[in-house]
Amino acid sequence: DTEVTQTPKHLVMGMTNKKSLKCEQHMGHRAMYWYKQKAKKPPELMFVYSYEKLSINESVPSRFSPECPNSSLLNLHLHALQPEDSALYLCASSQVNRGNGYTFGSGTRLTVV
Amino acid sequence: AQKITQTQPGMFVQEKEAVTLDCTYDTSDQSYGLFWYKQPSSGEMIFLIYQGSYDEQNATEGRYSLNFQKARKSANLVISASQLGDSAMYFCAMRGNFGNEKLTFGTGTRLTIIP
Repeated sequence: DTEVTQTPKHLVMGMTNKKSLKCEQHMGHRAMYWYKQKAKKPPELMFVYSYEKLSINESVPSRFSPECPNSSLLNLHLHALQPEDSALYLCASSQVNRGNGYTFGSGTRLTVV
Repeated sequence: AQKITQTQPGMFVQEKEAVTLDCTYDTSDQSYGLFWYKQPSSGEMIFLIYQGSYDEQNATEGRYSLNFQKARKSANLVISASQLGDSAMYFCAMRGNFGNEKLTFGTGTRLTIIP
């Protein structure tokens, strides 16, 4: 299995809603990432988990809350988002300290209304 | 800190021609990795090719090759015999020293293949 699976593929949520994005991989990768990508822009790193511990938080607002319950799963909990948070959210994984292969999921297209 | 620069916002290329997408980088790390990804309109990021900073040979993967010039800090992607399916956004990206797992992207080049 050489895939990163993200669910849902599309999500529309109101500013008062709570929702979660899910990411799963079974490649034995121990580093997992969340990226945010606005239209016509490159992906921007949000969070990095290494061995299930948060290692990088790129000063992301607290309305985004990551969680890594085990080595295969990565969640992004969303609460009280703003319309400007509408974007493509990409999950990725890689081996730790052998960074020649980052595998990305297909992304979740999030619209905040 | 790492920086990736892609100076071509868009390119139009005739089908079956070769195309070169430019990428320059800046880093103070001695060990680093360079990547190219393809992103179709569907949004998925498709890995194309990787070059390690200590690799002496230029990387090749099928129709893709990476022209790595370390002294000039450039890592251009060459696509031979372009196909209509190559139309997409292309991102150059960089990883720093091992232990720094962050992948930094350039601004991308929109490639359009003309029949």
